[in-house]
Amino acid sequence: TQLLEQSPQFLSIQEGENLTVYCNSSSVFSSLQWYRQEPGEGPVLLVTVVTGGEVKKLKRLTFQFGDARKDSSLHITAAQPGDTGLYLCAGASPSNTGKLIFGQGTTLQVKP
Amino acid sequence: DAGITQSPRHKVTETGTPVTLRCHQTENHRYMYWYRQDPGHGLRLIHYSYGVKDTDKGEVSDGYSVSRSKTEDFLLTLESATSSQTSVYFCAISELAGGGELFFGEGSRLTVL
Repeated sequence: TQLLEQSPQFLSIQEGENLTVYCNSSSVFSSLQWYRQEPGEGPVLLVTVVTGGEVKKLKRLTFQFGDARKDSSLHITAAQPGDTGLYLCAGASPSNTGKLIFGQGTTLQVKP
Repeated sequence: DAGITQSPRHKVTETGTPVTLRCHQTENHRYMYWYRQDPGHGLRLIHYSYGVKDTDKGEVSDGYSVSRSKTEDFLLTLESATSSQTSVYFCAISELAGGGELFFGEGSRLTVL
């Protein structure tokens, strides 16, 4: 069974601080996605990383896929209250079964 | 926004009763998924479908069944609801398998008393 471990599970920081969320597994994934979810809504895709070592930037968010394609990180620079939400990583099995495995999620609160 | 509608959005029921949740899409996407979301567990896959009448189990399928008789509809049934099935259920659709973007519905909150 493939598992994705996210850390930390909860993060409360002040506006302007930097933070990093980690997503780790002992399994290899063909790709990894990051989603953001706001209360009362479904998750929305932020980014997909496919190549080992790949780095993608989305404004103040930087996503990295590990060289071995077993882990990923999300770094937010100068966090803002609008970044508050639940961040979820999801890995796709190399067997291409169509299934995505999700991590437990990281709840981020950014205080003004 | 992807056209995904879940119904009902909220339901309270009693232990032992059957419950059916419906997911309807207007995007003609091949793949459809049912996830449940519980605190500390992220999203866990219950069942998924890769075409009409083609379904497979996910990681937490016990106590749930699904049916897909049309491309646009994916039904999740709890034959005899238990309190452990109290959760928020999300339907998702995808055009591609294995790593394609998932588009989620707004969720259905189910409480089993």
